Amino acid sequence: DAKTTQPPSMDCAEGRAANLPCNHSTISGNEYVYWYRQIHSQGPQYIIHGLKNNETNEMASLIITEDRKSSTLILPHATLRDTAVYYCIARPTGNQFYFGTGTSLTVIP
Amino acid sequence: DTGVSQDPRHKITKRGQNVTFRCDPISEHNRLYWYRQTLGQGPEFLTYFQNEAQLEKSRLLSDRFSAERPKGSFSTLEIQRTEQGDSAMYLCASSGGGGQPQHFGDGTRLSIL
Repeated sequence: DAKTTQPPSMDCAEGRAANLPCNHSTISGNEYVYWYRQIHSQGPQYIIHGLKNNETNEMASLIITEDRKSSTLILPHATLRDTAVYYCIARPTGNQFYFGTGTSLTVIP
Repeated sequence: DTGVSQDPRHKITKRGQNVTFRCDPISEHNRLYWYRQTLGQGPEFLTYFQNEAQLEKSRLLSDRFSAERPKGSFSTLEIQRTEQGDSAMYLCASSGGGGQPQHFGDGTRLSIL
């Protein structure tokens, strides 16, 4: 599995876009990039995933660089409920996830 | 879709006792995973099932830990002779095949007195 690097913490003003970076410079060709978030006392919540192309769903957008060595999760209009720890994971299809310590995002009113 | 269900949500027990947790995955998912999470850390992988077969185990899964998925549906995780260091959140996840994402339950929080 490719290891990922994320900033330990970030702040974002409510209503603004939150852009969370992730470095996965050792990613291999068959490894997907997944994003999850976790709010205290709950299990990780799946947000979005992708392989090569940018992806968008009702929660967020995922931008993957052409060389696939990094990606950015975009929350277009952050709300207070988006305050959470965000995990970026890169792995091949199959088994375990390596979570790391993630980015603690605080949305400020 | 009822999501991944875990029971109990909280368990308090004395050191040395045995505990068992249950996980009910999303019904159409054939893959099931157990993770452990301690305060301030991300979840750490414990073990993985495909249908009823346990295909992968972490070194974190000592011989006091055992997991089963007898009919390829629900799974149980048992910890024997619990120790203080076993205090953690135990998370279960399930997924379909290929690159499909894992979906997590809200975990069982274990506290050892």
